Amino acid sequence: EADIYQTPRYLVIGTGKKITLECSQTMGHDKMYWYQQDPGMELHLIHYSYGVNSTEKGDLSSESTVSRIRTEHFPLTLESARPSHTSQYLCASSAAGGLVYGYTFGSGTRLTVV
Amino acid sequence: GENVEQHPSTLSVQEGDSAVIKCTYSDSASNYFPWYKQELGKRPQLIIDIRSNVGEKKDQRIAVTLNKTAKHFSLHITETQPEDSAVYFCAASRGAGSYQLTFGKGTKLSVIP
Repeated sequence: EADIYQTPRYLVIGTGKKITLECSQTMGHDKMYWYQQDPGMELHLIHYSYGVNSTEKGDLSSESTVSRIRTEHFPLTLESARPSHTSQYLCASSAAGGLVYGYTFGSGTRLTVV
Repeated sequence: GENVEQHPSTLSVQEGDSAVIKCTYSDSASNYFPWYKQELGKRPQLIIDIRSNVGEKKDQRIAVTLNKTAKHFSLHITETQPEDSAVYFCAASRGAGSYQLTFGKGTKLSVIP
C-alpha cells in the first residue's frame, strides 16, 4: 500500500548518542518534510527537500541534519542527542507538480532523550 | 513570511451541534488551504482542502469557506459526533515558488455525548 513510513515509532536514548530517524514513502512524491510537534501539538518545520540532493532548513532552528540521496528516503540524524531534543518528529511528503498539494504525514517517531 | 492564526484553541460542543474553527492568514499570495485532523496518538490526516479560485467546498458533514478579501477561511462541521473529537489544524501555502505549508496552532475539539 502506498504510504509514508517512519521508524522507529518510539525511541528512548541516552544523552550524547547519535541517532537516525528513518522516513520512506512509496507514493512517488518528490517533496518531503520533517516537523517537530511539541506537547501543545503545534507543528514546527525543521527541514524540507524538493528533490534528490536538495535539502533546506526550516523555520525552527534544529541541531539535526537530513539527507536526500534517493527520492523515497529522507532520514533525519541527530549527532549528539540532548534532553531538549525530546519530542514527536513527523515526516511528511507531497506530490510532484507545479501546484502546492496537501501533505501525507507518517505516524511519527516519539523520541525521549534521558 | 506567512503567518496563520487559528481560533479557538479549544472548543467543546454537544453531540449533534455544529462546530466552527476560524483561521486568518497574512500572505495575499497564498492560494491553497488544507485542513488536518489529528486524533490522539495518530498522525495528522488531510480532511478537506480549498484553492483560492473557489469560495466554498463541502464533503458530507464538513465544509470549508474562504474569504480572500478578508484573508480568512473556516472549517464547519455539522451534526458533530464523538468521533469528531480531535485536534484540527488549518494551513496555508506560502505563495509563489514555495510548496511549504504554514500551520495554525491547532484547535482541540471535544464532542460531548
